[in-house]
Amino acid sequence: QKEVEQNSGPLSVPEGAIASLNCTYSDRVSQSFFWYRQYSGKSPELIMSIYSNGDKEDGRFTAQLNKASQYVSLLIRDSQPSDSATYLCAVRETDSWGKLQFGAGTQVVVTP
Amino acid sequence: DTGVSQDPRHKITKRGQNVTFRCDPISEHNRLYWYRQTLGQGPEFLTYFQNEAQLEKSRLLSDRFSAERPKGSFSTLEIQRTEQGDSAMYLCASSLNSGVLHNEQFFGPGTRLTVL
Repeated sequence: QKEVEQNSGPLSVPEGAIASLNCTYSDRVSQSFFWYRQYSGKSPELIMSIYSNGDKEDGRFTAQLNKASQYVSLLIRDSQPSDSATYLCAVRETDSWGKLQFGAGTQVVVTP
Repeated sequence: DTGVSQDPRHKITKRGQNVTFRCDPISEHNRLYWYRQTLGQGPEFLTYFQNEAQLEKSRLLSDRFSAERPKGSFSTLEIQRTEQGDSAMYLCASSLNSGVLHNEQFFGPGTRLTVL
């Protein structure tokens, strides 16, 4: 069973600080990795995708990928109360035509 | 609004009844996915279409579940003889197969099913 693991949290972050979220995956040959944000009662919203080792920055978000360690992370800089949500890590399975395997999500709470 | 749409947004039904959900993908997207999400869990894959062809179906999907995408546009997901364990958020996502390895999936608002 291929797995995607995340700490469930909650991760409490002071406003203005950096939130660091981690995700590990078991499928060694996975190629595509995604971070989704999900507010309570809403559907997941794609915020970042990353395919190559290293860092990818988009605004206040930075995704980091290390395929050798099977590890992907998300940094949220200058955290705002509106960033309070559950962040889902998703991995595209290599033996599938696009099916995503999701972690259970990390709840982030940004405190003013 | 050019995003993924789903209908209905909420459905309450009694155990044993049949329900059907509809998903309209982003217009130029040829791939459509159905996922199910329960409280505290990430979305769980159910099935996938490329155009009108159903290419993959989860082993977890019982034969009470059926999905169609008859003209390669909208899709329907039907659950027959609903059980209380079917209560969940049913999510539809779509993506564009542009020939690139990676396909970003965009989700609709979901249909929340409650089986009494």
